[in-house]
Amino acid sequence: DADVTQTPRNRITKTGKRIMLECSQTKGHDRMYWYRQDPGLGLRLIYYSFDVKDINKGEISDGYSVSRQAQAKFSLSLESAIPNQTALYFCATSDASGRHYNEQFFGPGTRLTVL
Amino acid sequence: QKEVEQNSGPLSVPEGAIASLNCTYSDRGSQSFFWYRQYSGKSPELIMFIYSNGDKEDGRFTAQLNKASQYVSLLIRDSQPSDSATYLCAVNVGNAGNMLTFGGGTRLMVKP
Repeated sequence: DADVTQTPRNRITKTGKRIMLECSQTKGHDRMYWYRQDPGLGLRLIYYSFDVKDINKGEISDGYSVSRQAQAKFSLSLESAIPNQTALYFCATSDASGRHYNEQFFGPGTRLTVL
Repeated sequence: QKEVEQNSGPLSVPEGAIASLNCTYSDRGSQSFFWYRQYSGKSPELIMFIYSNGDKEDGRFTAQLNKASQYVSLLIRDSQPSDSATYLCAVNVGNAGNMLTFGGGTRLMVKP
């Protein structure tokens, strides 16, 4: 079973619609992240959360919101989707301790298309 | 100037050759450095990390770090067609916990 799962895997929606992307993890990690990936731009951080009560904006948070419902669940919402939010979205997790202190583990991604 | 820069490529090498991928970063406080491999349409997976100046070898992969010159590189020896992917360099800045800043990635093509 995958350690980090994302739903849906693909989504096509229309401008102005509200969209929620969900992420769940069974790794027991406290830290969770949402990134978007556009061709040639690498991964850009949208929001991150170091525990259930901690939510922080990343590099490109405008137009997005998040909810950390539990240690294992971190959701990303687009309140009113626009075409330039068409991208590949990744959830990631990391552990605050251990040998791979800074390693992040990625989910399979959600391909979102906004028409 | 982007904080982490990579040549977007594509870098094309013949099978069996050494592929050399480079990454420069702007923040001198950066403490740890990661190379992720990403196949088309898939999620990034960690292949190497390095914290100290010098070389670190793992199988066919060698990561090289030079903090004075602010660059980190990845060498892939005996390149195989299965190595064809995009390689993402990621850098952790010292006071930012687990935060990583990613470069744009270099696309590597290994031709049989």
